[in-house]
Amino acid sequence: GAVVSQHPSRVICKSGTSVKIECRSLDFQATTMFWYRQFPKQSLMLMATSNEGSKATYEQGVEKDKFLINHASLTLSTLTVTSAHPEDSSFYICSARAGLRTGGTEAFFGQGTRLTVV
Amino acid sequence: AQSVTQLDSQVPVFEEAPVELRCNYSSSVSVYLFWYVQYPNQGLQLLLKYLSGSTLVKGINGFEAEFNKSQTSFHLRKPSVHISDTAEYFCAVSPLMNSGYSTLTFGKGTMLLVSP
Repeated sequence: GAVVSQHPSRVICKSGTSVKIECRSLDFQATTMFWYRQFPKQSLMLMATSNEGSKATYEQGVEKDKFLINHASLTLSTLTVTSAHPEDSSFYICSARAGLRTGGTEAFFGQGTRLTVV
Repeated sequence: AQSVTQLDSQVPVFEEAPVELRCNYSSSVSVYLFWYVQYPNQGLQLLLKYLSGSTLVKGINGFEAEFNKSQTSFHLRKPSVHISDTAEYFCAVSPLMNSGYSTLTFGKGTMLLVSP
């Protein structure tokens, strides 16, 4: 399957600072990227969907000013957690999907980022 | 809207025993169905998927699942598990759309615990 690389895998930051998480599709062009949040022992919660070159669509209850998503190229999307607080500590996972015309009917997942805000 | 129910939050099993992880879904439209596996502190890996055709789907690592439309189920099975199968397993659905896959709705996950 295709490879999606997410970086960093772990990050610890101080409360009030911002953290950027990168999601790259290494061997395909990702028309659409998805950002999920996963709480301990729970399922994945979709935060937002981004299409290359467009503004991200956020799910209800997700603060767009707090979780900034940029999908500036077909291989890179970034999630920036602004002014992070301890309650933002979580496991964040991205997934990427190619365009339908290039056979993109499956989403591939990154390895996740463990964010700890102290 | 779609919803996915994984009836068991945890399934303990001995090595080399068979296992079934249950998944039921609800949807007003036709769906694609998936099973993913997640190892600790890692992302999700696709085990198998049902799009159309044969209702028995074979995936990686010896897993298989059967789509039952009348029971709206997509249970995952393996005839003989290994210690290395210990992980969290997620069932997911996606509504059929002309533009391809839509977003995935996940179940809450089932932790498979394989002991010697």
